[in-house]
Amino acid sequence: GESVGLHLPTLSVQEGDNSIINCAYSNSASDYFIWYKQESGKGPQFIIDIRSNMDKRQGQRVTVLLNKTVKHLSLQIAATQPGDSAVYFCAEGGVFGGYSTLTFGKGTMLLVSP
Amino acid sequence: GAVVSQHPSWVICKSGTSVKIECRSLDFQATTMFWYRQFPKQSLMLMATSNEGSKATYEQGVEKDKFLINHASLTLSTLTVTSAHPEDSSFYICSASGTSGGTIAKNIQYFGAGTRLSVL
Repeated sequence: GESVGLHLPTLSVQEGDNSIINCAYSNSASDYFIWYKQESGKGPQFIIDIRSNMDKRQGQRVTVLLNKTVKHLSLQIAATQPGDSAVYFCAEGGVFGGYSTLTFGKGTMLLVSP
Repeated sequence: GAVVSQHPSWVICKSGTSVKIECRSLDFQATTMFWYRQFPKQSLMLMATSNEGSKATYEQGVEKDKFLINHASLTLSTLTVTSAHPEDSSFYICSASGTSGGTIAKNIQYFGAGTRLSVL
């Protein structure tokens, strides 16, 4: 979803449910995409990445799906736990103008209830 | 692996003073380091990119003389907020990326824990 002003879109789930966080990216020339998790007062933590020549990649309890046709990225978290509560950012990256750059999306807050 | 240490985690200073924030890659060589600023409930805004041994590249709208960046070695970058004012109060985060190998993946930025700056 899109954020408006200072309001982060929020996804509330129950412990044990599967969570799906969505992201729309803007640059069709981006080479890779990364999902980060940011807990309150901390720096972003790398979760998983996917290259532009892939459409799916799986990690431990997480799956990232890439749909280049509609420029859409999603993060699926299986069996969500309270410790998964955080803000999740997608980021699109590539080498532009000779520099490796990463552009962050607006973020989604995931709230997991026990 | 891929640990980035940022110090201090929190600093309060008086208006007009300068504050230095350090960013270190502890277990890999960071060919590129990045500095971001983040406002509450908002995303990360890139301030500048620095490659070891060369001048930093600043994003549009970021004052070079205000935010001095030094990347003197492959493991250390510093951000100095000069003559800080209350509007500079924010959460500053550094990240580092290196050449792939070991626990480091190409193009992935690894982040420090951030520094919360409060200017009185």
